[in-house]
Amino acid sequence: AQTVTQSQPEMSVQEAETVTLSCTYDTSENNYYLFWYKQPPSRQMILVIRQEAYKQQNATENRFSVNFQKAAKSFSLKISDSQLGDTAMYFCAFMKLEETSGSRLTFGEGTQLTVNP
Amino acid sequence: NAGVTQTPKFQVLKTGQSMTLQCAQDMNHEYMSWYRQDPGMGLRLIHYSVGAGITDQGEVPNGYNVSRSTTEDFPLRLLSAAPSQTSVYFCASSRGQGIHGYTFGSGTRLTVV
Repeated sequence: AQTVTQSQPEMSVQEAETVTLSCTYDTSENNYYLFWYKQPPSRQMILVIRQEAYKQQNATENRFSVNFQKAAKSFSLKISDSQLGDTAMYFCAFMKLEETSGSRLTFGEGTQLTVNP
Repeated sequence: NAGVTQTPKFQVLKTGQSMTLQCAQDMNHEYMSWYRQDPGMGLRLIHYSVGAGITDQGEVPNGYNVSRSTTEDFPLRLLSAAPSQTSVYFCASSRGQGIHGYTFGSGTRLTVV
C-alpha cells in the first residue's frame, strides 16, 4: 500500500514571501501521479497542481511550483509571493493507475499554512 | 454547470439511526468516490465507483453502503450510525481515471451523538 507523509503539521509565512511545503511518499510503482490540493476555511477541496511521475520537468502553475524528486520519493510545493488568500490546509496526494479498477487517491495528513500580513 | 453537489451540508444523528448522504455530478464523469476527513488523518477512501452498476470498497468501508444506479448519482448510506462516524464527508468525481485531478463536493459535516 502507498503512504504519503507530510511532516509539517503547521507552517506560517509573511505575505509576499516564499514558503515550501514538504511531502514524501512510499511506493514501488513506476507509473503514478502526484497532486497538491488546497482546503481553505470554506472546506472546499481545490486542485492546486499535478505532476506525472514519468515527466522529469517540474510542474508550475503561476505562483505554485513543485520540486519532484522521483528517486527520493519527494514532492514539495513552493508558493511564491504568498498572499493572504493562500491561507489554507494543503494536502499532498498520490495516485497510481489501476488497469482493471478505479484509481484511488491516497492523501497525506495535511499542512496548515497561515499567511501573515 | 454545478459540478459536484452534496446534500446535506450539516447533519446530526443519534447513535443507531440511519441516513443517506447524497452526491450528484453533472459533468458525465465515470469515476465517483466517497472520502471521510478526520483531524490529523487527511482524507481516507470509503467506497468508489468506476461507472453505473459498479462499486468497490476503499480503505475504510465498514458501516457504509453505496450503489450507483446512474452516472450522475452516488449516494452513501450509513446503516447504523456510530460516534466513530463523526466526520466530514466528501464526494469526488473525475473524468477517466482521474489523472487530471478530482472535482470535490463541498462536504457534509456529520455528527453522531
